[in-house]
Amino acid sequence: QQPVQSPQAVILREGEDAVINCSSSKALYSVHWYRQKHGEAPVFLMILLKGGEQKGHEKISASFNEKKQQSSLYLTASQLSYSGTYFCGTENAGGTSYGKLTFGQGTILTVHP
Amino acid sequence: DTGVSQNPRHKITKRGQNVTFRCDPISEHNRLYWYRQTLGQGPEFLTYFQNEAQLEKSRLLSDRFSAERPKGSFSTLEIQRTEQGDSAMYLCASSPTQGNSPLHFGNGTRLTVT
Repeated sequence: QQPVQSPQAVILREGEDAVINCSSSKALYSVHWYRQKHGEAPVFLMILLKGGEQKGHEKISASFNEKKQQSSLYLTASQLSYSGTYFCGTENAGGTSYGKLTFGQGTILTVHP
Repeated sequence: DTGVSQNPRHKITKRGQNVTFRCDPISEHNRLYWYRQTLGQGPEFLTYFQNEAQLEKSRLLSDRFSAERPKGSFSTLEIQRTEQGDSAMYLCASSPTQGNSPLHFGNGTRLTVT
């Protein structure tokens, strides 16, 4: 079952912060975050594992609440280059952990000067 | 690391025709995945290879779809008797064998069925 992302869209001015949430109805083993710009491939941002957290970028961080099956992506001091669609991809607990991800519907982030 | 390469970038075909897409993963990556993405949606899992073995295929994938990775390097995805509902972006991704590795996506092949 597809994880649910919120909000669906965010509009920011440069320097503002944003939070994107990802919720699943299933027990999760890992949560991946990707950013996709129009016409381009999704680009990996970071991965969060059950029992731990891995940070991928300086001004972009994330948390993983295992009990609530939720993850949040935090973007601080946003830059124009942050614009794009953000996807969370989840891997269910109890699986074989080979990287099969179920992606959310995406959150469109637009940063204006 | 030259990245994941997919060809062609765009394909326009008429309903009923067969199409084949190619994916060249990052050379040292053993895992290869095919995903499909429609407008406004996240990528949807189609199938997964570990080396040359196809280990999982989505239940959503009809018998018209077939994928191969004959020598554990490049992969092909074939769609037979295409339908308008097959129009989408087909993404290939690869990753190393080690668990918890990120997926490296190619730029995709955009299929339009007229």
